[in-house]
Amino acid sequence: GAGVSQSPSNKVTEKGKDVELRCDPISGHTALYWYRQSLGQGLEFLIYFQGNSAPDKSGLPSDRFSAERTGGSVSTLTIQRTQQEDSAVYLCASSPWGGASYEQYFGPGTRLTVT
Amino acid sequence: ELKVEQNPLFLSMQEGKNYTIYCNYSTTSDRLYWYRQDPGKSLESLFVLLSNGAVKQEGRLMASLDTKARLSTLHITAAVHDLSATYFCAVDSQGGSEKLVFGKGTKLTVNP
Repeated sequence: GAGVSQSPSNKVTEKGKDVELRCDPISGHTALYWYRQSLGQGLEFLIYFQGNSAPDKSGLPSDRFSAERTGGSVSTLTIQRTQQEDSAVYLCASSPWGGASYEQYFGPGTRLTVT
Repeated sequence: ELKVEQNPLFLSMQEGKNYTIYCNYSTTSDRLYWYRQDPGKSLESLFVLLSNGAVKQEGRLMASLDTKARLSTLHITAAVHDLSATYFCAVDSQGGSEKLVFGKGTKLTVNP
């Protein structure tokens, strides 16, 4: 079956511009996560959505970062006024929730480069 | 705050040799995951360990979990070049979002 998909796969933007990254989770998965992977910081949690509950935003590094999830499915991560330190690979994962393992399935990622 | 430490961070080994990667974590958790990442690729799930004493094996890789010691190991038997990748352990933070806290990864290079 289809896995987690993300778009675009690569994004180059100028410092100060806004970007939107998209994630399509596995159908039926109610939990959705965003992580960031960078050389300096490794893999970091950003934000989590579960059903209709309020998202856990505890990992967002600044108020320039926001995310929404529409209709319990597709999610968009928005970074406003991008900075060079935002350059990283942004990974989305989804989970069926409620299962014994809570296993998270990762998408291919979006590589963001801020010039 | 949950912390996850992996060692070694870099591992170069010869084909046919055995080695173990260690993953320590700082607070109680009953769920530990091992992922593999090839260069430029996303994370591929290898093992999910759910209870103390859990052991899982797939091919030349075997993972175990000791929740009392807060330690997981990933053992490589008779390494082959195709195992070259970066291996991450991750611990489930539980109690809410179940977000994963990752170790820094172990970059494994298997030389012919």
